[in-house]
Amino acid sequence: LAKTTQPISMDSYEGQEVNITCSHNNIATNDYITWYQQFPSQGPRFIIQGYKTKVTNEVASLFIPADRKSSTLSLPRVSLSDTAVYYCLVGTGYNFNKFYFGSGTKLNVKP
Amino acid sequence: SQTIHQWPATLVQPVGSPLSLECTVEGTSNPNLYWYRQAAGRGLQLLFYSVGIGQISSEVPQNLSASRPQDRQFILSSKKLLLSDSGFYLCAWSPSVWSSYEQYFGPGTRLTVT
Repeated sequence: LAKTTQPISMDSYEGQEVNITCSHNNIATNDYITWYQQFPSQGPRFIIQGYKTKVTNEVASLFIPADRKSSTLSLPRVSLSDTAVYYCLVGTGYNFNKFYFGSGTKLNVKP
Repeated sequence: SQTIHQWPATLVQPVGSPLSLECTVEGTSNPNLYWYRQAAGRGLQLLFYSVGIGQISSEVPQNLSASRPQDRQFILSSKKLLLSDSGFYLCAWSPSVWSSYEQYFGPGTRLTVT
C-alpha cells in the first residue's frame, strides 16, 4: 500500500492561502487520495478526495499531477479556525483496513 | 442523515479494571465499522475493523477486544486495563463500497488509566 509523507508542521497567517503537499510515490492505479482534518479532542473529518487533476469543494481544493506521485491540499484564505492537523491518505475501499493516518501536518494559523 | 454516537465521552479507570466502550451508528445499514486509538500528539492507530455482524478483524495485538452484536453497534472491551491503554478512542464507520474511501468519525472517548 502506498505510504505518504507530509510536513510535520506549517505556520500561516489569517487570510493567506495554504498549500500542504503530500508525497505518495508508490500510489497504485486504483488508489484514491483523501484528506482529513482533525481538531483537538475531536475525530477526523473528511475534507476532500480525488483521483487525478483537480477537485474543488466548498472547503478546499486538491491538486493531483499527472503522475499522481504527490498531491496538494489548498486551503484558501485560512482563518484561525483552520488550525488543525491535516492527514493525507492513499488507498481504495478494498483495502480500508490498511489505511494509515500517520501523524499528519499540524497547521498553525496565526492572527 | 447518518450519525455516530460514542459513550462515554471521558473515562478514568484504574489499572486492572475492565473496559467497555460503545459505538452506535444511525441512518445507514451494513456499515464498515472501525475502532482507532490516538495517543497524545500522535496519529491514529487502527485497532479493529468489522465488515458485518460478528466479523471482527484485529490490526494490533493487545489486551483489547471488539464485538459487533448488531449491525450498527460496535463495542470495544478489555478485561484488565494497562497504563498503556490510555488514549483517545475513536469509532468510525464507512459505506461498504469500494469506489471511494471516506470514514465518518464519532466524538471519541478520552480514556485515562491510573
